[in-house]
Amino acid sequence: SQKIEQNSEALNIQEGKTATLTCNYTNYSPAYLQWYRQDPGRGPVFLLLIRENEKEKRKERLKVTFDTTLKQSLFHITASQPADSATYLCALDMLTPKGRRALTFGSGTRLQVQP
Amino acid sequence: GAVVSQHPSRVICKSGTSVKIECRSLDFQATTMFWYRQFPKQSLMLMATSNEGSKATYEQGVEKDKFLINHASLTLSTLTVTSAHPEDSSFYICSAFRRTGGITEAFFGQGTRLTVV
Repeated sequence: SQKIEQNSEALNIQEGKTATLTCNYTNYSPAYLQWYRQDPGRGPVFLLLIRENEKEKRKERLKVTFDTTLKQSLFHITASQPADSATYLCALDMLTPKGRRALTFGSGTRLQVQP
Repeated sequence: GAVVSQHPSRVICKSGTSVKIECRSLDFQATTMFWYRQFPKQSLMLMATSNEGSKATYEQGVEKDKFLINHASLTLSTLTVTSAHPEDSSFYICSAFRRTGGITEAFFGQGTRLTVV
């Protein structure tokens, strides 16, 4: 079955360092992959999308890589700030078990940036 | 970006009562909306796909008679939790998707925290 896996353990880093989060997927060849940020008690907010033919995408302090051979995406936040503390979710447009196309999310990785 | 509005943001209800949650796409027409549920420290789990003018499609393990979905217009979908029980307490989030050039953009509501006492 198709799966999306993210490290469920929280990532704690010092302010100013680079945070790196991982998203792995199996049994699927996505045309693109998305990253979202979710704050407690709020809905996810779209951050970045990377297509299968793109190795890397940048937006301000964010960088996403996409390795379709490894079936992995890495999400980097450089010069991290306490305000970056949140849960980060990767998502793929996949078929659900019922055969519907919908965004399927990884479990998310909680990032905590210490001042 | 597009805005999806979800209401209410929080609701507390007594066991056995029903609760309705509204999801509106404010600046685009959404023929399809999605309802997710999220338990603490877990990912969003797709509950059902809401189709304008037709029946919703429910994912495995989601009772259609318990979670009634109505998508009467291109901008409004509602989820009604009927005969709520404490185990239904969760964070419910709706989403409207917009497909452009083969890419799916997802816009989420603010979420509804349901507590059944």
